[in-house]
Amino acid sequence: ETVMTQSPATLSVSPGERATLSCRASQSVNSYLAWYQQKPGQAPRLLIYGASTRATGVPARFSGSESGTEFTLTISSPQSEDVAVYYCQQYNRWPPITFGQGTRLEIK
Amino acid sequence: EVQLLQSGGGLVQPGGSLRLSCAASGFTFNDYGMTWVRQAPGKGLEWVSGISGSGGNTYYADSVKGRFSISRDNSKNTLYMQMNNLRAEDTAVYYCAKVSRGRDYFFDPWGQGTPVTVSS
Repeated sequence: ETVMTQSPATLSVSPGERATLSCRASQSVNSYLAWYQQKPGQAPRLLIYGASTRATGVPARFSGSESGTEFTLTISSPQSEDVAVYYCQQYNRWPPITFGQGTRLEIK
Repeated sequence: EVQLLQSGGGLVQPGGSLRLSCAASGFTFNDYGMTWVRQAPGKGLEWVSGISGSGGNTYYADSVKGRFSISRDNSKNTLYMQMNNLRAEDTAVYYCAKVSRGRDYFFDPWGQGTPVTVSS
């Protein structure tokens, strides 16, 4: 099973300050990595797939990148509506599909 | 517009059974795999099960294997999850989701979620 580890657990940023969320895979996932956003009381929403491709309708301030088994979701200038928990998910080796434990984004 | 409308959750006693449904619209249902993901109260996302577009291939997390059964009725554009021998640790909000095509296996969109509570 591929273990996904996200950090930090909670990230607090000021409006306009870049937010950087990390996700580490226990083994190679060959760019088969997705990011989801879950706002309070809502279902998750796909943001990024293939490590760096934005899903339809996702604002350009969201971007994904990778370096080996380290993946990063960057929000260039977070808005108040970006307050949410963000999850990474690998789909390289499955079953099982595995998610990270999530990073909660707060705006100061 | 792709829509997934879930139903069937509720309160059940330990050892009991429940069937979840997920009615799909806005896409050619039998062209896509479908999946179930759950979220225990205050916790993260846990993948539960997946099924291919034809229904011929099914996949399960070890935590539910032998107790849960995923199926689909392509004539009704509906996905199901039969949950038997339920345990307290199965308490969660259950989401259905449409799976991407080809080699990819990410989920978009998701249903609204249906809560399942296992308690005496």
